[in-house]
Amino acid sequence: DAGITQSPRHKVTETGTPVTLRCHQTENHRYMYWYRQDPGHGLRLIHYSYGVKDTDKGEVSDGYSVSRSKTEDFLLTLESATSSQTSVYFCAIKLQGSYEQYFGPGTRLTVT
Amino acid sequence: KNEVEQSPQNLTAQEGEFITINCSYSVGISALHWLQQHPGGGIVSLFMLSSGKKKHGRLIATINIQEKHSSLHITASHPRDSAVYICAVYGEYGNKLVFGAGTILRVKS
Repeated sequence: DAGITQSPRHKVTETGTPVTLRCHQTENHRYMYWYRQDPGHGLRLIHYSYGVKDTDKGEVSDGYSVSRSKTEDFLLTLESATSSQTSVYFCAIKLQGSYEQYFGPGTRLTVT
Repeated sequence: KNEVEQSPQNLTAQEGEFITINCSYSVGISALHWLQQHPGGGIVSLFMLSSGKKKHGRLIATINIQEKHSSLHITASHPRDSAVYICAVYGEYGNKLVFGAGTILRVKS
């Protein structure tokens, strides 16, 4: 599993509240990614990071922000959660010198 | 039109059958990734290909760069192979994956 953990694993929150999801890795990989997975849409990239404080947007970045203040942690924040952000969120890392990505266990977020 | 198209969308097979899942893409790529996701489960990397063919156990993945096509084969299928199989590609200049919609495989005993 390339030493990737996500927290929390499940969360239920109300519309309008801020939410932060954490991705933690133990192997010093440079590239980290946040995806969401929804029925009928598959996996879609939200944001990714290519180093500490270096981040870029993916195809569905609206309503999300990210931060990476140290190599091992990549945080995804929903500033004001909406019901359309109910989804399963996966974090991933890309191995050094390779194209291969390894995924975390996922976080199931429900916004009521 | 999606950049990555998978077929079929759904597949039901009997245990022991040979299975093929196809992936076509419309852009130049650096590499192609096959992933597996069991129901309610995490996402597991099966293969990363940039040319030719790779084999791991009963799974075989091939890619034809000229035809922009990849196939994932499962020999002697088993109910535990029931999962969603996802194809994803890296563009020529990027570090981002573009995903197909996935193929839902069910293998009946």
